[in-house]
Amino acid sequence: DIQMTQSPSSLSASVGDRVTITCRASQGISNSLAWYQQKPGRVPKLLIYAASTLQSGVPSRFSGSGSGTDFTLTISSLQPEDVATYYCQKYNSAPWTFGQGTKVEIK
Amino acid sequence: EVQLVQSGAEVKQPGESLKISCKGSGYSFTTYWIAWVRQMPGKGLEWMGIIYPGDSDTRYSPSFQGQVTISADKSISTVYLQWISLKASDTAMYYCARRDGVWGQGTKVTVSS
Repeated sequence: DIQMTQSPSSLSASVGDRVTITCRASQGISNSLAWYQQKPGRVPKLLIYAASTLQSGVPSRFSGSGSGTDFTLTISSLQPEDVATYYCQKYNSAPWTFGQGTKVEIK
Repeated sequence: EVQLVQSGAEVKQPGESLKISCKGSGYSFTTYWIAWVRQMPGKGLEWMGIIYPGDSDTRYSPSFQGQVTISADKSISTVYLQWISLKASDTAMYYCARRDGVWGQGTKVTVSS
């Protein structure tokens, strides 16, 4: 099965900083990748699908890129409400594996 | 409104059986795959498996194959996640979810003697 590896596992950045999270698939998955945001005690929220398509209602400071095996989630200007854990998920074929998560905090 | 509504929290003893549910509404239930996702306390998201309610085609993660059963009753727009014999390590929050971002509210399962 294809493994999904996220990096870093956690990061601390200042408000207004540009933040980048990477997700790497052990085999090519085309653009079948989603990004989720989960705040403590809340249901995960879909941010991006098809690697780079912003889900309706998601702020434009979030963006995704990549194809094949290497993907990136970028927050262009970190806001206090972005404190959360972020997960990538592949869905080209079962199992739709999640990455291990990246915890984002404010410095 | 498109919704997935899950059954309520459960407290069980080791060795007991359990079936939790996820009811879809506001859309054509038989035409969307629904997944089950586990989140153990303080841990990440784990994809367990998916079912296509239209024909009950089911796929499991190797980690969960043989440990749980996913089923569906399309007549009542409901999918299920079932255990025959619970273990303490099954204690977790369980979510049902569509791939397009519609998630249930979660069902907390606590297994303790």
